[in-house]
Amino acid sequence: DGGITQSPKYLFRKEGQNVTLSCEQNLNHDAMYWYRQDPGQGLRLIYYSQIVNDFQKGDIAEGYSVSREKKESFPLTVTSAQKNPTAFYLCASSPRTGESPIYFGEGSWLTVV
Amino acid sequence: RKEVEQDPGPFNVPEGATVAFNCTYSNSASQSFFWYRQDCRKEPKLLMSVYSSGNEDGRFTAQLNRASQYISLLIRDSKLSDSATYLCVVEYGNKLVFGAGTILRVKS
Repeated sequence: DGGITQSPKYLFRKEGQNVTLSCEQNLNHDAMYWYRQDPGQGLRLIYYSQIVNDFQKGDIAEGYSVSREKKESFPLTVTSAQKNPTAFYLCASSPRTGESPIYFGEGSWLTVV
Repeated sequence: RKEVEQDPGPFNVPEGATVAFNCTYSNSASQSFFWYRQDCRKEPKLLMSVYSSGNEDGRFTAQLNRASQYISLLIRDSKLSDSATYLCVVEYGNKLVFGAGTILRVKS
């Protein structure tokens, strides 16, 4: 089946630890994105990538890092510098940025304990 | 002005009712518009794109008003399964900006 796979679905992190969220797509899409959603709020863009080996900061990139070494993969690292990391993280992809709709993975729930 | 604004609701309607949501956007150069649906604790899913001439998909009708910079979603004959949060999405250059969503609750 074609789609976007995120893992893990649930993750608990101790304060001061870095964690990496995985995102893989087999839709042959050029563009990939990471969004964050807090309870009762809208989605906020963390990072996006239009092509392999290239990515841009979104609206809330501080405390996060990404890489795009393969077209299929766009992992997100939540570093210890992120002050309030507890949230729902959504990875998405699209054929290209801007004009086409984007398609989401099932999301990863990160909780800091 | 926010890039994309929606009435958060909730809109509480009986089954069979017609309900409409509006969404305003600030960038007059935006060219692409979408409505997504998000169920509780799930990922957003594309409901429909919004075309300049307006478009319909079954019970759902989307319209665009460029002059007033808003898009709308009309749901006819509401079903219990339509209960969800509806997200308005607008293209801003290389990215899509999501509204905070409108909550719809359909009751029997």
